[in-house]
Amino acid sequence: EPEVTQTPSHQVTQMGQEVILRCVPISNHLYFYWYRQILGQKVEFLVSFYNNEISEKSEIFDDQFSVERPDGSNFTLKIRSTKLEDSAMYFCASSERQGVDSPLHFGNGTRLTVT
Amino acid sequence: LAKTTQPISMDSYEGQEVNITCSHNNIATNDYITWYQQFPSQGPRFIIQGYKTKVTNEVASLFIPADRKSSTLSLPRVSLSDTAVYYCLVGPGNTPLVFGKGTRLSVIA
Repeated sequence: EPEVTQTPSHQVTQMGQEVILRCVPISNHLYFYWYRQILGQKVEFLVSFYNNEISEKSEIFDDQFSVERPDGSNFTLKIRSTKLEDSAMYFCASSERQGVDSPLHFGNGTRLTVT
Repeated sequence: LAKTTQPISMDSYEGQEVNITCSHNNIATNDYITWYQQFPSQGPRFIIQGYKTKVTNEVASLFIPADRKSSTLSLPRVSLSDTAVYYCLVGPGNTPLVFGKGTRLSVIA
């Protein structure tokens, strides 16, 4: 079964540094998402992306965050200047289309630790 | 989006059938009910989805009464590997998924 893959699995960075989290969505999927989960808390929506632009974003997704699909396969999340509170699991997801009959497929996440 | 309420946790012995009920009193006409499963250190995984009555797949069954104000996820004969957090989500499918706290299922040998 095709999978969403994320790299790296664990990233440690110092406060104020920029990080880029990478994702390879399932190849025929058109909608892409980033979610995050702070340890012990809920899975939170960050942003959705379709047709090379952001479709929706949450309040969490402020100016420090950006997303990009630099080529036909990768989907990236950049945090410009990391803060301690950005420490979390970041999950990428993709879906074939938008709608109830097209469930999201999640990757196994990147654990970001900001020190 | 419709608010959902699930038990925080449940315990079950191996081989038992587990039923997890989700309340969604203000479900809208065009909302569907979707369940995801999350193992530790993994992303959520789609299990099953339904609109009304009963849906069954190779993993689970979903029972939805006529008023659609609740739904029950049924896992037949659970094993230790079914220990996970189970999320009930309600929405029309054209908005981002909103996860609640889910139900932490612990399967005991």
